[in-house]
This record gives sequence, structure tokens and C-alpha cells, in this order.
Amino acid sequence: KAGVTQTPRYLIKTRGQQVTLSCSPISGHRSVSWYQQTPGQGLQFLFEYFSETQRNKGNFPGRFSGRQFSNSRSEMNVSTLELGDSALYLCASSLVQTGGELFFGEGSRLTVL
Amino acid sequence: AQKVTQAQTEISVVEKEDVTLDCVYETRDTTYYLFWYKQPPSGELVFLIRRNSFDEQNEISGRYSWNFQKSTSSFNFTITASQVVDSAVYFCALSEANTGFQKLVFGTGTRLLVSP
Repeated sequence: KAGVTQTPRYLIKTRGQQVTLSCSPISGHRSVSWYQQTPGQGLQFLFEYFSETQRNKGNFPGRFSGRQFSNSRSEMNVSTLELGDSALYLCASSLVQTGGELFFGEGSRLTVL
Repeated sequence: AQKVTQAQTEISVVEKEDVTLDCVYETRDTTYYLFWYKQPPSGELVFLIRRNSFDEQNEISGRYSWNFQKSTSSFNFTITASQVVDSAVYFCALSEANTGFQKLVFGTGTRLLVSP
């Protein structure tokens, strides 16, 4: 079955712009999580959605937001981009919310100039 | 507070050597999960294993094996007879009941280079 699909794979933005990243989870998976990966901070949890509700949030400013649709697809948005937002953004889906394996997509690599 | 430490930044071995990747974790929760993920150059995190805090049995899967010891808060990963395709960055991660099982805290990763 198809894995987690993230679009776009690569994108370049300039400071002050906003960006929307999309994630399609594995069919049947209802939990979607987002992570940011940077060389300096490593992998950091952004937020998690389950049944269209944000269930958990990491320590990121309000410029980072997300949502989940009824078909479990999720989007994350970053407004007023800063240079430090350049990162690989990874989406993960899970069948259950209680410690199941997280299956990750290949990520969206964002470069902010 | 939860924390995962992977002290080995990079390990280089020659093909067919055995290699062990270390992982030490900190948690105050009694219910937690530990994970290992592999990240090849493509960027995708590939799930390798998950253990819960109540199951200390070691596990072997082909050339991979894991040693979970609560007494030392360690969850080490051994690759036997390494191959060039094993070259990747390996991450150990922890999630807790108190902070949400889907919130993984990752270590900084260990880059494994296997040369022919």
C-alpha cells in the first residue's frame, strides 16, 4: 500500500512569505504528526492531529500551524517565514494514537532566502 | 524531562564488521516507548523497531538486534555483518504516556558509514 506522501518535496521561499505543506497519510491512518529537522536542533516535534483535532503541540511559535481534514490528510502552514525556518519538514502517520509505529514520508525541504 | 542521548556522532566500519549503536534515555514516566529509525540520504525515516517499557526482551531480526536494559536506561542496536546498504543515520527515540505517545523525542543520531 502507498506510504506517506508529502508535497511539495522541495521549495524555496523568501523571508516574510508563508508556506503550506501537505501530507497524505497511509490509508486508514488517522493520526498525523509533523516534525522539523534542522542540522542545529535535530528532529523536533511540531504537532499531532487525530480525527481533525490537534492533540499535541511542540514548542514552536504561533507562526507554525496545521490542520487535518476529514480524510485524514493534513497541512501545515508557516507564516512570516524566517531564515531559521529552513528545514526538512517530515510528516508521519500512525494507525493508532497510543504508541503505534510512526511511518514517515520523505519530507518537504524548505529553503528560506 | 525526557531526553535521548546518542553519544556516537559517526561510526565508520568495513563491510562484514559488527557495529553497535548506543542509546541512553531519560524519563520519569513508567509507561513509554522506545524506537529506532534509519534515515537514508533520501530523507525518509524508516521504522526499525518499537519497544514498550514493560517488555525488556531482547529482539533479533535478521542482522539486526536490540538490547533493552531498564537498569541502565539503554536501548542499544547492533548490526551484525554490516553491509554498505546499512550506511545511514540512525535515530533512537522515546515517547511517553504523560506527554503523548505520538510525540517522539529523538536523539541527535549516529551516522554509520560502511565501506566495502
